[in-house]
Amino acid sequence: GESVGLHLPTLSVQEGDNSIINCAYSNSASDYFIWYKQESGKGPQFIIDIRSNMDKRQGQRVTVLLNKTVKHLSLQIAATQPGDSAVYFCAENIFGGGFKTIFGAGTRLFVKA
Amino acid sequence: NAGVTQTPKFQVLKTGQSMTLQCAQDMNHNSMYWYRQDPGMGLRLIYYSASEGTTDKGEVPNGYNVSRLNKREFSLRLESAAPSQTSVYFCASSEVRGRGDIQYFGAGTRLSVL
Repeated sequence: GESVGLHLPTLSVQEGDNSIINCAYSNSASDYFIWYKQESGKGPQFIIDIRSNMDKRQGQRVTVLLNKTVKHLSLQIAATQPGDSAVYFCAENIFGGGFKTIFGAGTRLFVKA
Repeated sequence: NAGVTQTPKFQVLKTGQSMTLQCAQDMNHNSMYWYRQDPGMGLRLIYYSASEGTTDKGEVPNGYNVSRLNKREFSLRLESAAPSQTSVYFCASSEVRGRGDIQYFGAGTRLSVL
């Protein structure tokens, strides 16, 4: 069935280290994958997206990797900062007469100073 | 640039009371959404509106109604609030422009039903 899930519910990293947040998906027909960041007391905020025909996409300090063979998505944050502490959601877009979005449960990232 | 604005930010209701959560976006987006988020869980879609004049049920529509008042505004109504509706409610809007369905969220309404 359709599902987007995360391997780890929480992740704790040292400031300055790189963070890797993982996401598994089950629908091979998904067209886009999107990462959102949700800080405490705020709504989710778009970080980066990747189309299903791509393997990698880079943004500012963030990289998303897509492995369609094993249906796995990851978000890498370089030189993690205290301001990166948040819950990160992956979302799956499936197009079928309009987009359907499926959100994962989220991973909480703690950055230790 | 306000983006998506939700009111109120906080609300406490007694069981059986009614209320309407308001949402407005200034990005000229066609699609708007209402989600609820419970502790430790992801976002669950209540209702959505793909365009002005249309609304459709999402994953958890029971106990809610919506109105797409115009292109900018999408309201969520609880006719008879229940404790199970205690949650954080998020409104979002989006416009598909060749990059999937990137949604823009409001700050949320924190609702407690006693």
